[in-house]
Amino acid sequence: QSVLTQPPSASGTPGQRVTISCSGSSSNIGSKTVHWYQQFPGTAPKLLIYSNNQRPSGVPDRFSGSKSGTSASLAISGLQSEDEAVYYCAAWDDSLNGLVFGGGTKLTVL
Amino acid sequence: QVQLQESGPGLVKPSETLSLTCTVSGYSISGGYYWGWIRQPPGKGLEWIGNIFDSGTTYYNPSLKSRVTISVATSKKQFSLKLSSVTAADTAVYYCARVLGAFSACDIWGQGTMVTVSS
Repeated sequence: QSVLTQPPSASGTPGQRVTISCSGSSSNIGSKTVHWYQQFPGTAPKLLIYSNNQRPSGVPDRFSGSKSGTSASLAISGLQSEDEAVYYCAAWDDSLNGLVFGGGTKLTVL
Repeated sequence: QVQLQESGPGLVKPSETLSLTCTVSGYSISGGYYWGWIRQPPGKGLEWIGNIFDSGTTYYNPSLKSRVTISVATSKKQFSLKLSSVTAADTAVYYCARVLGAFSACDIWGQGTMVTVSS
């Protein structure tokens, strides 16, 4: 059971806007910044969003992050077939004194 | 271009120590970032193992802390992971990564190396 809770799956059609949620608590998301990773099968995760809503260089602005209270969201607009991947949220947890990940959300582009 | 490459045995016997090294190229390991290890069991999610700064300051996953040692060799542009008393539950792909801060995101990842614990 992951400390951060994500839906196991999400889906959308090309061009659509989809959001993936990440729920935590006051000791992690509620007081620390949230990061999002994208992972394709057989490859290393790629940083998509850091510090709640910052995009690393090279990440399309179709990807955006937000945080409110003890929850965070990743939004993907203009969904493309190449966005089909597993997405993970992560945050530092002050109670556990460690970095925690969500269980991952598999995004399917229909 | 910053690149990280993991290396080490792909097969470790139960109760022995898993040892992996991450070689950093294209960036100084003393350049002010943290460096970390993350693992992913087959078909499962990501698990943080620990981070290290070039000064030697470390942060470890509390659930692994008694078995983990992360060290850095700045002159060799390498940092290493040792995990003792391994069991089948330690079978995973192990990734090394550059970390933006002690408690921050991993922005550059190695390709990962599969380690199987089996006799």
